[in-house]
Amino acid sequence: DIQMTQSPSSLSASVGDRVTITCRASQSIRTYLNWYQQKPGKAPNLLIYAASSLQSGVPSRFSGSGSGTDFTLTISSLQPEDFATYYCQQSYITPRTFGQGTKVEIK
Amino acid sequence: QVQLVESGGGVVQPGRSLRLSCAASGFTFSNYGMHWVRQVPGKGLEWVAVISYDGRNEYYADSVKGRLTISRDNLKNTLYLQMNSLRTEDTAVYYCAKDPANDGFHYYFDYWGQGTLVTVSS
Repeated sequence: DIQMTQSPSSLSASVGDRVTITCRASQSIRTYLNWYQQKPGKAPNLLIYAASSLQSGVPSRFSGSGSGTDFTLTISSLQPEDFATYYCQQSYITPRTFGQGTKVEIK
Repeated sequence: QVQLVESGGGVVQPGRSLRLSCAASGFTFSNYGMHWVRQVPGKGLEWVAVISYDGRNEYYADSVKGRLTISRDNLKNTLYLQMNSLRTEDTAVYYCAKDPANDGFHYYFDYWGQGTLVTVSS
């Protein structure tokens, strides 16, 4: 199975901060990488697909980049509604695996 | 708008069975592959199974193969997960999720249901 490792596991940030989360795959997954946001008690919500494509309806402050094994999710200016847990997921090989999550908390 | 509503979760003893349902609306259900994804409360996400738009193809995570079966009824716009020989490690919130691909799989999830909790305990 492809292992997906996110860093950091958690971070504290302030409103307006630029936040970057990284995701590393245990082997190349080309650009088959997706990002989700999950708030407590809610289902995940797709933010980014194919490494850098913004899902319809998602604010443009979210962006994704990377290919091969290393990927990043960037929030350009953190908003109050962005405090949540973020997961990466590879859609390259079965089983399609997720990272362990990065919790973004209020500083 | 797209809606996915799961039902059927509950408390069940190890070795017993349960069937989950996911009622879909707001899109042409018969055109899209559908997935089940689960999450142990407070933990990460695990993809469980996928079924093609026409129900002809199914794929499973090794952890559930032979015990869980995904199916669909395109006339009822409903996805199912038959769960047999349940184990304590199957305890999780089960989400149904839509694949964005027409007539195939992209293996990511553009819409999710609210989830239904399955607790396997004696």
